[in-house]
Amino acid sequence: GQQLNQSPQSMFIQEGEDVSMNCTSSSIFNTWLWYKQDPGEGPVLLIALYKAGELTSNGRLTAQFGITRKDSFLNISASIPSDVGIYFCAGSIHSGGGADGLTFGKGTHLIIQP
Amino acid sequence: NAGVMQNPRHLVRRRGQEARLRCSPMKGHSHVYWYRQLPEEGLKFMVYLQKENIIDESGMPKERFSAEFPKEGPSILRIQQVVRGDSAAYFCASSGEPGHPTYEQYFGPGTRLTVT
Repeated sequence: GQQLNQSPQSMFIQEGEDVSMNCTSSSIFNTWLWYKQDPGEGPVLLIALYKAGELTSNGRLTAQFGITRKDSFLNISASIPSDVGIYFCAGSIHSGGGADGLTFGKGTHLIIQP
Repeated sequence: NAGVMQNPRHLVRRRGQEARLRCSPMKGHSHVYWYRQLPEEGLKFMVYLQKENIIDESGMPKERFSAEFPKEGPSILRIQQVVRGDSAAYFCASSGEPGHPTYEQYFGPGTRLTVT
């Protein structure tokens, strides 16, 4: 079946540092989404990407949809304590006009050291 | 609260009992998806429903699990004769019509099922 590989598995960073994480796949996805999950809560949508090569920002977050449609990355600039959590990438085989079950990566745990 | 609602938030069942998990989609959304999350894992797709129709159940276990989204009321994920391996967090997501600006899937807070 389809799989998404996220790296790194966990990150220990200092407050104020920039963060970069990525997601790769052996198969093509036509939509990429990035979610953040806090303990005991559901995933919260951060950014949705619909076009290969697209670069999208949401505040301090920037994500890109890889040109091959097999990868995506998420950057967080100037990290703050509330950025702590698990970040998931998710892919859909449908473009923005379709709907299906998402395939999720296993997540990147972001830990910020004071 | 116009977000996706799930209840109960926590559910404890003994082996062999039935578990019923409910999901009310975001206002204006007619597509519902169920996912399961095991500890330290990502979410795994189970089933995709529209009102009165199951669109894709490729991720549902073949036995004991069923889902519905009736014309009126919330979507229900039912697990019959629960076993310890069913212990997990179950999340519901909803989306608007394909092509609608709010196509993206938005998740509820989840139901944590513990089987004793």
